[in-house]
Amino acid sequence: NAGVTQTPKFQVLKTGQSMTLQCAQDMNHEYMSWYRQDPGMGLRLIHYSVGAGITDQGEVPNGYNVSRSTTEDFPLRLLSAAPSQTSVYFCASSLMRGETQYFGPGTRLLVL
Amino acid sequence: AQSVSQHNHHVILSEAASLELGCNYSYGGTVNLFWYVQYPGQHLQLLLKYFSGDPLVKGIKGFEAEFIKSKFSFNLRKPSVQWSDTAEYFCAVIDLYSSASKIIFGSGTRLSIRP
Repeated sequence: NAGVTQTPKFQVLKTGQSMTLQCAQDMNHEYMSWYRQDPGMGLRLIHYSVGAGITDQGEVPNGYNVSRSTTEDFPLRLLSAAPSQTSVYFCASSLMRGETQYFGPGTRLLVL
Repeated sequence: AQSVSQHNHHVILSEAASLELGCNYSYGGTVNLFWYVQYPGQHLQLLLKYFSGDPLVKGIKGFEAEFIKSKFSFNLRKPSVQWSDTAEYFCAVIDLYSSASKIIFGSGTRLSIRP
């Protein structure tokens, strides 16, 4: 089992560029989520999904889109990057909502 | 609004000292509670969790936490810390019985252990 994988590990973007952060899990988990981690603010939920075809917004969804076409994959799209989106992004999965989450290694994003 | 508070932002202890990290939440209903740990350069991983039953739960590496419903608290404890406990610790809460509720993490507590 690879667990939860994320790519890329590190990315530099210019303001206005778009990109997709990839997340995949091989544990057949229904629930997947995206967080951003900023100093002093903990982890804040961006979007989550309770199963293929179902997504919903978290605390800080603005500027991000998600889709869940398969159980395994949950990509996060930045539509037009802004410096305020400089952060570390974590993907996580769990068997179902409310259960223990398994986290990926994170993607460090710098927006200039 | 639902919230989770970790009042200690940075705690510095010497090896063998006792540890208690505070976590308070504002939910009124039945909750699932978690402590996650992030060691330097590593993924976040589960330290321990409380869903129901005995309010004193034990986790990995000698950590334990006590759920006190009347105080809306879930404090993390360890009787004797080691240098290897240096990490960031996050409390997380979800109101499982509210379909609109989302998991909320506290802001984290950075623990530094002096060898």
